[in-house]
Amino acid sequence: RKEVEQDPGPFNVPEGATVAFNCTYSNSASQSFFWYRQDCRKEPKLLMSVYSSGNEDGRFTAQLNRASQYISLLIRDSKLSDSATYLCVVNPNTGGFKTIFGAGTRLFVKA
Amino acid sequence: NAGVTQTPKFQVLKTGQSMTLQCAQDMNHNSMYWYRQDPGMGLRLIYYSASEGTTDKGEVPNGYNVSRLNKREFSLRLESAAPSQTSVYFCASRQDAQGVGISYEQYFGPGTRLTVT
Repeated sequence: RKEVEQDPGPFNVPEGATVAFNCTYSNSASQSFFWYRQDCRKEPKLLMSVYSSGNEDGRFTAQLNRASQYISLLIRDSKLSDSATYLCVVNPNTGGFKTIFGAGTRLFVKA
Repeated sequence: NAGVTQTPKFQVLKTGQSMTLQCAQDMNHNSMYWYRQDPGMGLRLIYYSASEGTTDKGEVPNGYNVSRLNKREFSLRLESAAPSQTSVYFCASRQDAQGVGISYEQYFGPGTRLTVT
């Protein structure tokens, strides 16, 4: 079993749709969690950190479920510019150096 | 600030050739990382350097060596390239400062696309 697993997609959605991605992790002791965004042929960039209480940044909402060992990302009112690959990222220890990246979920938003 | 820079952007090698990928950051970050990214595999950690003067193996270190030349620079060397090392290589850095407001965000360079024939 991979340490971090994501549905590779692709997810094809129309503009304005709501789309949700899930990511599961195997290490129950994992401490910190993130979503990164990666555009085609570009480097990954931090989208948002994921806190235990859940957090929201504009149209994006991230949630953590420690009991079931998954994190989620919800995108509301999708824009064409949201088309990208979304990477789920887990640190086994807060501040630890061996960050684990999921393989990513591809999203295509169409007009 | 340029952030994290990498050279070269593209490289084609023949099997058995050697080369060094260069990485530099101007954000005064303490830790630096080398990853490779292959289709369907996600980013895999090759080596990292927690601070100047230290390096440690990651998930896939075989066939690679690294040097943390100073706080700014972290290079990755392929001594004898193999086709299995065809990949996109990303360098990253992270703040890791002590105290309040520590950021665990990794900042990535633009990547080096390496093909080994």
